[in-house]
Amino acid sequence: IAGITQAPTSQILAAGRRMTLRCTQDMRHNAMYWYRQDLGLGLRLIHYSNTAGTTGKGEVPDGYSVSRANTDDFPLTLASAVPSQTSVYFCASSRTLQETQYFGPGTRLLVL
Amino acid sequence: GQNIDQPTEMTATEGAIVQINCTYQTSGFNGLFWYQQHAGEAPTFLSYNVLDGLEEKGRFSSFLSRSKGYSYLLLKELQMKDSASYLCAVIDSNYQLIWGAGTKLIIKP
Repeated sequence: IAGITQAPTSQILAAGRRMTLRCTQDMRHNAMYWYRQDLGLGLRLIHYSNTAGTTGKGEVPDGYSVSRANTDDFPLTLASAVPSQTSVYFCASSRTLQETQYFGPGTRLLVL
Repeated sequence: GQNIDQPTEMTATEGAIVQINCTYQTSGFNGLFWYQQHAGEAPTFLSYNVLDGLEEKGRFSSFLSRSKGYSYLLLKELQMKDSASYLCAVIDSNYQLIWGAGTKLIIKP
């Protein structure tokens, strides 16, 4: 692995189902982030983690949860998906909160 | 509230120069980033400004004026591959990155 990876690449999900988006980085970055990107709205922060074991809420956290059990992994869970969660989800990481963020390739999620 | 303003779309000609402006109102300032995002791909880092002035990096330059809450990205010798969205983002006093909606740049031959 080089950099930051996300899985799955895309997914179609029935409303009400539970879904976990995976994110892994091998850069030993302390900070990790989850964004959603919708047309015309730009990137919006869902949750972030300053370091392993800590997480924080971003601009649009409702309906999403995260965990940070170790430095490398930062999964995002949709407990009960709704159509408004249809979006492109990007995971990112940075050495610290104030440094350059590097993005994974994204997960395209369609909730029907 | 916090706000980042950028033009929605710009058009320029191959070989020309284009300037993409960004104005911001945020609670505190700890730096400004420019990212490039090709359609269907992830954003990639272009530049970072924390002090006033111009930062040059090849064909791309970024300028910052903290007193005016203003930045621009200057792209010279435009190439077709520069067709992309350009995202301006500011780190606020809580070290959260506030993103603009992006400027879609269309390059015509």
